[in-house]
Amino acid sequence: KAGVTQTPRYLIKTRGQQVTLSCSPISGHRSVSWYQQTPGQGLQFLFEYFSETQRNKGNFPGRFSGRQFSNSRSEMNVSTLELGDSALYLCASSLDRGQGAFFGQGTRLTVV
Amino acid sequence: QQQVKQSPQSLIVQKGGISIINCAYENTAFDYFPWYQQFPGKGPALLIAIRPDVSEKKEGRFTISFNKSAKQFSLHIMDSQPGDSATYFCAASRGLTGGGNKLTFGTGTQLKVEL
Repeated sequence: KAGVTQTPRYLIKTRGQQVTLSCSPISGHRSVSWYQQTPGQGLQFLFEYFSETQRNKGNFPGRFSGRQFSNSRSEMNVSTLELGDSALYLCASSLDRGQGAFFGQGTRLTVV
Repeated sequence: QQQVKQSPQSLIVQKGGISIINCAYENTAFDYFPWYQQFPGKGPALLIAIRPDVSEKKEGRFTISFNKSAKQFSLHIMDSQPGDSATYFCAASRGLTGGGNKLTFGTGTQLKVEL
């Protein structure tokens, strides 16, 4: 069974631009969550989608948004990039609530 | 507000020894407690998880001990090996009570196993 796939693996963007990251969950998993990982703040929850609906949202500004498609694939978008948005963005998929969450390798975003 | 406190920040253990990492939580609504292992350049990998109705769970060399009254849980790695050198994160969620799969993570422990 294929794991969680995130694309692209690496991304360099300029301040003020926007970026879209993609996540393909494990087959059959309907829950997709996104996390931001930085050395200073650690792993922080962005949002969770289940059956195309946002089920949970973390404490991030509105510049961070996401969506989920009918095949459970998910995308997250960050608009008006800031230097502080440089981070490893991780996607995790689960069968349902309270089940194990399996992470992808992440997308390393660098904002210059 | 940090809801899951993890210690120590770093740990050095001799090969064959026992590595112990501790976590404490504040939110009594948490009902699912996983541990993750992360190697440099990789995403976190689910190691083992426990629910509060169980005091201990063992999978191979990894054991979670859970103390509901103290709101603490710990990871024990028996017979630690150099290949176990990684960063370990504890986490908690309230998935069964409607919180979905939002994981609140500890700050991580860098484990180094020396020969």
